[in-house]
Amino acid sequence: AQSVTQLGSHVSVSEGALVLLRCNYSSSVPPYLFWYVQYPNQGLQLLLKYTSAATLVKGINGFEAEFKKSETSFHLTKPSAHMSDAAEYFCAVIRGYGGSQGNLIFGKGTKLSVKP
Amino acid sequence: DTGVSQNPRHKITKRGQNVTFRCDPISEHNRLYWYRQTLGQGPEFLTYFQNEAQLEKSRLLSDRFSAERPKGSFSTLEIQRTEQGDSAMYLCASSRSGLNTEAFFGQGTRLTVV
Repeated sequence: AQSVTQLGSHVSVSEGALVLLRCNYSSSVPPYLFWYVQYPNQGLQLLLKYTSAATLVKGINGFEAEFKKSETSFHLTKPSAHMSDAAEYFCAVIRGYGGSQGNLIFGKGTKLSVKP
Repeated sequence: DTGVSQNPRHKITKRGQNVTFRCDPISEHNRLYWYRQTLGQGPEFLTYFQNEAQLEKSRLLSDRFSAERPKGSFSTLEIQRTEQGDSAMYLCASSRSGLNTEAFFGQGTRLTVV
């Protein structure tokens, strides 16, 4: 069975600082991994996804994530935080092997605060 | 592409009442998913449809919950005899068939049971 664990329910950074949001996965099959962002009272927007091609994945809004099989990690980073990055971020993995990208198991989320 | 549309955006209901939510997927998408998100948690899968067929249901989907997609287009999620524990954001997503097709989420319906 697949699962994802997000370390840290709340992360606070200063504007311009590095953003690092941590996600570890557990999977008995090659995982497909995702990061989503959610603004208050909104749905989810896909930031980026790993689907077994390049291990360093670039997404929207300057975010990127690196798949590290040896560490079972898929951490999300952004070199310089912007006030507009303040939101909740979710790591997710496809349920089952060969499943649809809409059939996902989500982590509990990490709320990112950006201080001026 | 007008996106996934969910109605209503907010619903307040008294405990014991029935509620129904609607999801209109992106028009060419044949897969449709329902998720529930409670405060401080990630979304949890409830059920999904391919065209009009309901292919999978989570054990979270108790017998008070029923989802339909009668013509393979829009879907409804009904909760009967609502309980306070049903208070959550209900999210709908849609995608084309296939593994490498992105799912798009709607803005959700926030249900508050008082």
